[in-house]
Amino acid sequence: GAVVSQHPSRVICKSGTSVKIECRSLDFQATTMFWYRQFPKQSLMLMATSNEGSKATYEQGVEKDKFLINHASLTLSTLTVTSAHPEDSSFYICSAKQGMFAFFGQGTRLTVV
Amino acid sequence: KNEVEQSPQNLTAQEGEFITINCSYSVGISALHWLQQHPGGGIVSLFMLSSGKKKHGRLIATINIQEKHSSLHITASHPRDSAVYICAVRFSYDKVIFGPGTSLSVIP
Repeated sequence: GAVVSQHPSRVICKSGTSVKIECRSLDFQATTMFWYRQFPKQSLMLMATSNEGSKATYEQGVEKDKFLINHASLTLSTLTVTSAHPEDSSFYICSAKQGMFAFFGQGTRLTVV
Repeated sequence: KNEVEQSPQNLTAQEGEFITINCSYSVGISALHWLQQHPGGGIVSLFMLSSGKKKHGRLIATINIQEKHSSLHITASHPRDSAVYICAVRFSYDKVIFGPGTSLSVIP
């Protein structure tokens, strides 16, 4: 079946630095990928929709200048958390769309210290 | 408003018990996913359903499109099944909404 690989699975970074998270569709082309965030003890919430070759669409309340999304190819979308702060510590997960289905990455646990 | 609900919120079972987790949603969908989230946060996709029933090992997932309801069953539960189980629903407008999750603890 279709596989979505997310990397890294865990990352610890210092406050003020930037972190890039990759989401790859391994055996299919995904024109649309989604990025989600999960706060402690809460459900996953959509951050943005990433379309190949165009600008991402951000959900209300998500800072597009802080969470940079790039979908430069049909198999790769990246989320860069810029100038990370401790409040950005969270669980981030991507999904890639293939037809009527969506496939999920394994998620990335980001800790900003 | 499109919503996804899950029940129960928390579940403690004895090893070997048959477990059912329920998911209900408000409007028509394209597909429904069952996800397993481990304590460290990692997500594993268990099932993707648009109709009927799927089985994988001790896990069974069913969906009733007319009733807008899905169930995840675990037979012969084991402590390693302890995790949070999340129902994720993809609506016709092409976005996925996640349920609040069911925290399962299986005691030896």
